[in-house]
Amino acid sequence: EIVLTQSPGTLSLSPGERATLSCRASQSVSSSYLAWYQQKPGQAPRLLIYGASSRATGIPDRFSGSGSGTDFTLTISRLEPEDFAVYYCQQYGSSLTFGPGTKVDIK
Amino acid sequence: QVQLVESGGGLVKPGGSLRLSCAASGFTFSDYYMSWIRQAPGKGLEWVSYISSSGSTIYYADSVKGRFTISRDNAKNSLYLQMNSLRAEDTAVYYCARVLAYCGGDCYSGPADYWGQGTLVTVSS
Repeated sequence: EIVLTQSPGTLSLSPGERATLSCRASQSVSSSYLAWYQQKPGQAPRLLIYGASSRATGIPDRFSGSGSGTDFTLTISRLEPEDFAVYYCQQYGSSLTFGPGTKVDIK
Repeated sequence: QVQLVESGGGLVKPGGSLRLSCAASGFTFSDYYMSWIRQAPGKGLEWVSYISSSGSTIYYADSVKGRFTISRDNAKNSLYLQMNSLRAEDTAVYYCARVLAYCGGDCYSGPADYWGQGTLVTVSS
């Protein structure tokens, strides 16, 4: 099973700042089959990025994904107030596993 | 618009059973893979099971294999999860989700692009 590790566990930033979230896999994720989700308290997750770098429908372009192999990154170019949430990565190249999440909170 | 509405959650004793349902609307249900994904209180996400559009391909996480059964009724636009031999560690919010499949030689589950609001299952004596 591919194990995903996310860092940092918590990221404290101010609105307008750039957020860089990391997701590292225990083995190579085939064909960059990696997705990112956002979850706010009391809500279901929302798909942001799939295929490592493709934005899902309706996702603002301040969200971008990159990476391949074992190292992936989600970047939020300028944080808006509604972006403070927990972010999960998920790989679907070999079975289906989620990372433990990164919480982005207000500094 | 895509809507997924779960029902059937509740409190059940260890060893008991529960059947979750998910009513889908706003898309052609029979064209899509569907999944159940759960989240224990204050914890992360765990993929429980998925089923192909026709029902011919099914996946279970090791943690539920042999105890849970996923099924679908394309005529009723509905997804189900039969949960037997429930344990305390099955306590979670269970989400129904639509899945984007990807195909090489065979087809597999990709990411979940739409989610329901979830139904809480509590296993406790």
